[in-house]
Parts: sequence; structure tokens; C-alpha cells
Amino acid sequence: DTAVSQTPKYLVTQMGNDKSIKCEQNLGHDTMYWYKQDSKKFLKIMFSYNNKELIINETVPNRFSPKSPDKAHLNLHINSLELGDSAVYFCASSQGRDPTNEQFFGPGTRLTVL
Amino acid sequence: DQQVKQNSPSLSVQEGRISILNCDYTNSMFDYFLWYKKYPAEGPTFLISISSIKDKNEDGRFTVFLNKSAKHLSLHIVPSQPGDSAVYFCAVNSAGKSTFGDGTTLTVKP
Repeated sequence: DTAVSQTPKYLVTQMGNDKSIKCEQNLGHDTMYWYKQDSKKFLKIMFSYNNKELIINETVPNRFSPKSPDKAHLNLHINSLELGDSAVYFCASSQGRDPTNEQFFGPGTRLTVL
Repeated sequence: DQQVKQNSPSLSVQEGRISILNCDYTNSMFDYFLWYKKYPAEGPTFLISISSIKDKNEDGRFTVFLNKSAKHLSLHIVPSQPGDSAVYFCAVNSAGKSTFGDGTTLTVKP
């Protein structure tokens, strides 16, 4: 059973389109995250949700809108895609906001904007 | 301003020898540190962690050392195995989020 799953695994689209990436975790965690890994392999946090509430928004353009319908899901919707949005996006989850809790990551979604 | 840095983008080690991966951070208030391992086409997986109240934590072949005065941590893998070949990220947990270094690619040669 996959603990943190993301769909799709690959996404190729044209500039200007709107797309969504879905994330689900079956670990019973109450905190979920989205990370972006750019071409330099740097993993940077974008958003964090705790019990469906946004707790971290790291100066991400408002074209990116996360949505958490319940604690097990955190979807990422991106409007008006730009070339610079091409990256690998990772979803993660953890139990609570205790800093001693490690995060469990999904396999990533490779987004390519043409 | 990168708060967590891994200055070696890559490291190559012979099987059976020790691998030492290094990480530096800038904020002396950071107090919980983790190492993650990442294989290609997979997400990072947690490896080992250390709290600032300790200077060493060991788990099997993996040991993390923390030098608070130098704001430096290191991951030792001994003996290294070919299956350890992956990208290793150090991370700091603070203020409800993780800040990652940019990773070191470890290659263990048989």
C-alpha cells in the first residue's frame, strides 16, 4: 500500500494552461506539504496544511492554489502555467507540526511546460 | 539566502569504505536536523535525525554528528554499500517546516 501517492506522475502541457496535481496519504497524518524541486535539485517548500488549514505559504505566486478537501488529501492547482513552473513537485505528510516528526514523501510529479 | 548548504554536489566512494556527507547551516537557533535519502524517480525517504541536545546519533551503519559551535552536521555511512548510491539531503525542522539543503549525490562503486 502506497503511503503517499500523487497523480499524475508526469504532466506535459502548454504555457497558459491550467492543471492540477492530486495527492493522497493513507498514514492518518494531519499535516501535508507541497515542495518544488527545480532544475538545480533544490527542494523548496511551497505550502503546508494542518487539519485542512493553510499554515505555511512560502511566497508562491497566487497562480498556485492548494486545496485540502480533507486531512488525507492536498491537491495543487496551477493557473496560467509558465515555463518556469517546469519542475518536479513532491507532496509530503507528517503527523502534527512537532519538529521531531519526519515527513513522508510521495514519488513526485514531473511537470513540463512547453 | 540559503540557510542549509551542502557544499559537495557529489561524492564517490569504494564499497566497504566510509562515506562522509557534510551539511552547514546558518541559524544557531535551529535545533532539529534530519537526513533524507532519495533514489531517482522516487520521493525522499527519512534516514536519521538528531536533536541539538545531542552531538551524535547512530542507527546501524548510519551515524549523524552535530557540531553546534561550527553549525555543521555530517552523515557517516560505514561500511558503504552500492545500494547506498542516492542523493542525500540534510534538512532542518523549524517553525513547522523543513528547509532542505541542495543534496549530495553519493556513488558507491563495487
